[in-house]
Amino acid sequence: DTGVSQNPRHKITKRGQNVTFRCDPISEHNRLYWYRQTLGQGPEFLTYFQNEAQLEKSRLLSDRFSAERPKGSFSTLEIQRTEQGDSAMYLCASSQSPHTGELFFGEGSRLTVL
Amino acid sequence: EDQVTQSPEALRLQEGESSSLNCSYTVSGLRGLFWYRQDPGKGPEFLFTLYSAGEEKEKERLKATLTKKESFLHITAPKPEDSATYLCAVQESQGGSEKLVFGKGTKLTVNP
Repeated sequence: DTGVSQNPRHKITKRGQNVTFRCDPISEHNRLYWYRQTLGQGPEFLTYFQNEAQLEKSRLLSDRFSAERPKGSFSTLEIQRTEQGDSAMYLCASSQSPHTGELFFGEGSRLTVL
Repeated sequence: EDQVTQSPEALRLQEGESSSLNCSYTVSGLRGLFWYRQDPGKGPEFLFTLYSAGEEKEKERLKATLTKKESFLHITAPKPEDSATYLCAVQESQGGSEKLVFGKGTKLTVNP
């Protein structure tokens, strides 16, 4: 088991473009989370899946953001019409019930919007 | 609104110089308090879970404690490899939310 894998690790894009990030969780983990982290801040919750169902979404998440987890395996996070304020590290994490606060994070996907 | 405040923002220690990091929290009902370690350019790494006041957890040179208002991460005789940002997070018991609310972290530097 190689842990949580995220791709790409770095993405530079121009404002207005769409970007997609992929997360492969630890195989036996049924819970998957997306967080966003900016410099000097702690991670901020975006959304949560249990198996393929998206059960929780942050009120801060604009409608330009969408996440999926087809078949309860890998997940994708898409950002449409990117803005400079979207520049951040996007972190994926997985966990296994019932230890839902014990998250295993990937190394993150760093997004820079020019 | 849940709130987590960590202090100090940054801490420099000499190798072997013990100290404590503080995490104060405001939450309507605590489901769990978590400590994570984050190295530069990496995702956070889970360290401890604390569930109720009076609970303590230890791992190598680290010991985490919890009261009703705050948690401490005590570092005994630190080594340079303990240098990292330490993050505290809370999970609320009410409402069934799965989210963790993180503080901004304490950046620890241990000089040899």
